Amino acid sequence: DAGVIQSPRHEVTEMGQEVTLRCKPISGHDYLFWYRQTMMRGLELLIYFNNNVPIDDSGMPEDRFSAKMPNASFSTLKIQPSEPRDSAVYFCASSRGLEYTGELFFGEGSRLTVL
Amino acid sequence: AQSVAQPEDQVNVAEGNPLTVKCTYSVSGNPYLFWYVQYPNRGLQFLLKYITGDNLVKGSYGFEAEFNKSQTSFHLKKPSALVSDSALYFCAVRDMNNNAGNMLTFGGGTRLMVKP
Repeated sequence: DAGVIQSPRHEVTEMGQEVTLRCKPISGHDYLFWYRQTMMRGLELLIYFNNNVPIDDSGMPEDRFSAKMPNASFSTLKIQPSEPRDSAVYFCASSRGLEYTGELFFGEGSRLTVL
Repeated sequence: AQSVAQPEDQVNVAEGNPLTVKCTYSVSGNPYLFWYVQYPNRGLQFLLKYITGDNLVKGSYGFEAEFNKSQTSFHLKKPSALVSDSALYFCAVRDMNNNAGNMLTFGGGTRLMVKP
């Protein structure tokens, strides 16, 4: 398997623009997680899905952030409008179900810079 | 609620010396414990896990970790450090009895610097 695939790897945009980050989880994994990593706040869980359904979005910072998972092989994280404080590395991760031990498999991340 | 503490922001060790990266946890039930490593500009990679059984767990790249229930600790160790071990290390916990979902809670990370 190719692992968790994220795109783009790098994104530079201007304040106010819409940003869409994409993720393809590992086939057969039914949990998908979006994390954000910054120097100041470390690794933060934004939202996670189980079987394409959002389970907990309490980590989403505000209404400018939204995430979708239209099918088992694709998820998006959208920021509209983007702000400089959204600059971070955004990671997608997937895992198998609760009956397994739950280790996460991470993508390589999308580094977002908002000017 | 579950939580993880990594008390050291950075650990410095000379190549060839043993290394320890500390982790303590808090869960209401029994823990699943994990260590991940992050190299520069990369995602987190799974190193090892404790689920049940032997308290000493062996993982990738010669790393091991010891589960200590009485001290609620899960320290990462390696007998002889390599310069290539320099990276950011994360401890994580999942409460086996947590019905809130398949969520891991991560510590703040410890940067390991191995000098030649």
